[in-house]
Amino acid sequence: SYVLTQPPSVSVAPGQTARITCGGNNIGSKSVHWYQQKPGQAPVLVVYDDSDRPSGIPERFSGSNSGNTATLTISRVEAGDEADYYCQVWDSSSDRLGVVFGGGTKLTVL
Amino acid sequence: EVQLVESGGGLVQPGRSLRLSCAASGFTFDDYAMHWVRQAPGKGLEWVSGISWNSGSIGYADSVKGRFTISRDNAKNSLYLQMNSLRAEDTALYYCAKKDNAFDIWGQGTMVTVSS
Repeated sequence: SYVLTQPPSVSVAPGQTARITCGGNNIGSKSVHWYQQKPGQAPVLVVYDDSDRPSGIPERFSGSNSGNTATLTISRVEAGDEADYYCQVWDSSSDRLGVVFGGGTKLTVL
Repeated sequence: EVQLVESGGGLVQPGRSLRLSCAASGFTFDDYAMHWVRQAPGKGLEWVSGISWNSGSIGYADSVKGRFTISRDNAKNSLYLQMNSLRAEDTALYYCAKKDNAFDIWGQGTMVTVSS
């Protein structure tokens, strides 16, 4: 089955830019979605279809996807962005509604 | 307000069964596929199962195939997960999620603990 690889942790100072990667074989051919999960809360969609933002998500959150790597970029990082982030794709190798999540990346704001 | 509310979790012995429910409101339920996603304590998200709007297409993770059954009742705006032959490794917070382009709406989850 398809595998998504994320770094376990990323650290960034407030005001700087955080980049969280999601690696997969030819992931550029898939649509990638990103979720933010804060402790004790349900996940929240922050980027869908590689680079689109749901309403209510700040423009500081952006995404890109090419080749074997998708990237979630958080500009002007704030303390409130500290959370776990997960990438997700639809597993087209599965015959029915397969879903794959990355292992998650913990973003620490220093 | 768009909302998903899960229920039915609890403490259950290994080998026993449990049925989870997810009540949807604030959107046209039968327009969307629905999914279950779980999260073991301290671990990441794991997809469990999904069902299309008309129940015509269904999928399961390999870890639950043959033991779990997903279903929906569009008349009741409800999603279900029948979990049989439960194992300790099924212990997790179970979320239901609405699928649009992605999982745009999540419930708050219901906790399932499998232990003797």
